[in-house]
Amino acid sequence: AQSVAQPEDQVNVAEGNPLTVKCTYSVSGNPYLFWYVQYPNRGLQFLLKYITGDNLVKGSYGFEAEFNKSQTSFHLKKPSALVSDSALYFCAVREGKLDDKIIFGKGTRLHILP
Amino acid sequence: DAGVIQSPRHEVTEMGQEVTLRCKPISGHDYLFWYRQTMMRGLELLIYFNNNVPIDDSGMPEDRFSAKMPNASFSTLKIQPSEPRDSAVYFCASSSTYYEQYFGPGTRLTVT
Repeated sequence: AQSVAQPEDQVNVAEGNPLTVKCTYSVSGNPYLFWYVQYPNRGLQFLLKYITGDNLVKGSYGFEAEFNKSQTSFHLKKPSALVSDSALYFCAVREGKLDDKIIFGKGTRLHILP
Repeated sequence: DAGVIQSPRHEVTEMGQEVTLRCKPISGHDYLFWYRQTMMRGLELLIYFNNNVPIDDSGMPEDRFSAKMPNASFSTLKIQPSEPRDSAVYFCASSSTYYEQYFGPGTRLTVT
């Protein structure tokens, strides 16, 4: 069965610095990988996905993620953090076309310090 | 498109009462998912539908919970009778086959 891990409950970054939110996954087949963001009192919002192709995926709000098959990771990155990036971030995985469900990580709270 | 629509946005009810949450998915999406989010348990998948048919309800906590999808544009999640431990934010999400899910704004349920 597929699983996803977000090893950090919280990440603190100074505004203007690069940020990384970590995600590792486990699937038996080809992974479909996703990042979502949740702002307070809002639903989850899709940021980006990796299905196939280029390992570096670009998404909304200047975020990008790098798929690393050998390390089974899909870390979320942004070159320069904004205070408005402060939110809860979820990594999710789907086992290619074998399963309809997306498995979500427990989330990482990102704090951008002014 | 207006996105996924959920109603009500907030619901406060007394223990033992019936609660019905409603969801309108994005037009053209063939999958609909119901999730529950709490601080303690995080985001939990309760049930999902494909083409209006329930596919997996293994996440439904107990028989007090039921969900229906009578047509492609409407789904309900019902709790009867409600209990304080059901207090949570309930999300509906929809997707087109194999692709990302789009979430509604959620219903914040408080059972006193």
